[in-house]
This record gives sequence, structure tokens and C-alpha cells, in this order.
Amino acid sequence: QKEVEQNSGPLSVPEGAIASLNCTYSDRVSQSFFWYRQYSGKSPELIMSIYSNGDKEDGRFTAQLNKASQYVSLLIRDSQPSDSATYLCAAQTDSWGKLQFGAGTQVVVTP
Amino acid sequence: GAGVSQSPSNKVTEKGKDVELRCDPISGHTALYWYRQSLGQGLEFLIYFQGNSAPDKSGLPSDRFSAERTGGSVSTLTIQRTQQEDSAVYLCASSLGDYGTDTQYFGPGTRLTVL
Repeated sequence: QKEVEQNSGPLSVPEGAIASLNCTYSDRVSQSFFWYRQYSGKSPELIMSIYSNGDKEDGRFTAQLNKASQYVSLLIRDSQPSDSATYLCAAQTDSWGKLQFGAGTQVVVTP
Repeated sequence: GAGVSQSPSNKVTEKGKDVELRCDPISGHTALYWYRQSLGQGLEFLIYFQGNSAPDKSGLPSDRFSAERTGGSVSTLTIQRTQQEDSAVYLCASSLGDYGTDTQYFGPGTRLTVL
């Protein structure tokens, strides 16, 4: 079983709609969680971090964490074509800061 | 300020040759990480440095892979006797080293192709 799991997609979202991305993790000791955006041929770019249960909002992005269910999600409101990318969920699994990444969810925003 | 830099951006080599990949972290970042991303895959952890020490080498796939970091700054990942399965994008990330809430910033990567 992979430590961090995501649906690979592609997730097709009409422009202006909400994109909802899900991620589950298996290691209960994970404390910190990150969402990275990766455009094709580029390196990952951090868009959100979340450490506590609940919601965290930053502009059009909202991250949600439920440690009891071992579940992390990312909502993208008012989706734009520029949001088309692969979104990587990562869990920090030890005190050294090592990140375990999911395989990523490809999001395609259609005009 | 300057971000993480990596060189070369692309490297094509023949099977059996050795390659060196370089990472220059963000100034002041004590933690440095190497990851590998194969085509269409997520990121695979390779090795972590805190300063010049490597407390976690658990992700290195074989003894052909080694890495070092000098002066608490630049790191070099060396792959000896390259194989075709080593073809991937090698990503370096750095962070402040504040455990628990640390954010890793990635460099542009080195695309390695082994023929």
C-alpha cells in the first residue's frame, strides 16, 4: 500500500467551477501536509501547507485536513485554465522532514 | 532572492558512465533533499542532508548512488555505472530545517537520460 494516495485523474473542470482534489495517507504519525502544483516539464511549486485539523484558506485555494480519517483535500474555487496542472499531495512522515508524495492528480480546466 | 539552482538542466549519457548532478540550495537553508521523478510518476525520496551530514540515506536505490554536501551548501549526487532505469528527473529541494512546519523549495531539476 502506498503511503500517500491520490486519484490520478485527469479531473476535468469547467472554467469558473470548483475543483476538488483528495488525498489519503497511511502513516498516522504524519503531522504536516503540503500541496504542490507541477506544470508539465517544471518542478513542483508549493501552493498550500496545513498542519492542524480543519480548513485553511489562501486566495482561491482551501486545504482541509482530517487526521482522524487520514484525509487531506484541496479545493480550487473559480478554476482558471492556468490552474491546469498536476497537483501533488505530500505528507511529512518523520522529524527529518522527508516528504512522501502521492502520484499526483492531473487537473484540466476547460474554457 | 535566488532560489534553488541545479546543474546541468539536461544530461544525456551512455549506459555504464558515471554522472554528477549538482544542487545549490537557497542561502541559509540547512536542510537539503534529493528526489527522483520518473516519467508520469510522483516524487521518490533519495537522501536528506542536515548541514553536511546525511542522517537519512534510505531512499538511495543502490550502492551506485552516492551524495555529498560540502560547506553546508552545495550538494552533488553521483550515479556510477548508469543504467537505463536511472533515467528520470532528479530534483533537489532545500528548507530552513525547522522540523514540523518546514517548507521545501524545489529547484528546476536535472533531466537525466541514459542511452
